[in-house]
Amino acid sequence: GAVVSQHPSRVICKSGTSVKIECRSLDFQATTMFWYRQFPKQSLMLMATSNEGSKATYEQGVEKDKFLINHASLTLSTLTVTSAHPEDSSFYICSAGQGTYGYTFGSGTRLTVV
Amino acid sequence: QQQVKQSPQSLIVQKGGISIINCAYENTAFDYFPWYQQFPGKGPALLIAIRPDVSEKKEGRFTISFNKSAKQFSLHIMDSQPGDSATYFCAATTGNQFYFGTGTSLTVIP
Repeated sequence: GAVVSQHPSRVICKSGTSVKIECRSLDFQATTMFWYRQFPKQSLMLMATSNEGSKATYEQGVEKDKFLINHASLTLSTLTVTSAHPEDSSFYICSAGQGTYGYTFGSGTRLTVV
Repeated sequence: QQQVKQSPQSLIVQKGGISIINCAYENTAFDYFPWYQQFPGKGPALLIAIRPDVSEKKEGRFTISFNKSAKQFSLHIMDSQPGDSATYFCAATTGNQFYFGTGTSLTVIP
């Protein structure tokens, strides 16, 4: 089956620094990838849709200058949290697929900003 | 606006019992309804999914029942086991639109 690898699984950074999270589709090409944020005991909140070779589409309320998304190849999308602050601490999850029926989720990244 | 409504928020079931989680939707354009299982600190994993032209799908102990006219679908976990304790999310999709339910925290008591 389709495999999506997300790295790192955990990261701790100092306030004001930037953190990059990678999402890779290992055995298929993903024209579209999605980035989610999940708070404890809550559902996944879609942050943005990443399309290979074009700009990401951000959901309302998500700061595109703070959450930089790059989808430079059909197997890799990155999310960079810039100038991170403690309120950015959360669980970030990516998903990748080739269409409506085939989305697979990464294992998530626990970001802690201190 | 919540596109997919899920209930209950939490569920406690005895080992060997049946766990039932319900979801409802409004948009008739949805054409794929997956269920995901998520363990703490992990991403959601696809459990089972159904398309609206089928009323029921069974895979092992997991069954989806789908009622197109009522715009409702449910997940039944038969012979629930402690290892099934996790958060379950229903979802509904069409095109690149993907909507999650609010999640159900299932605890199976030994």
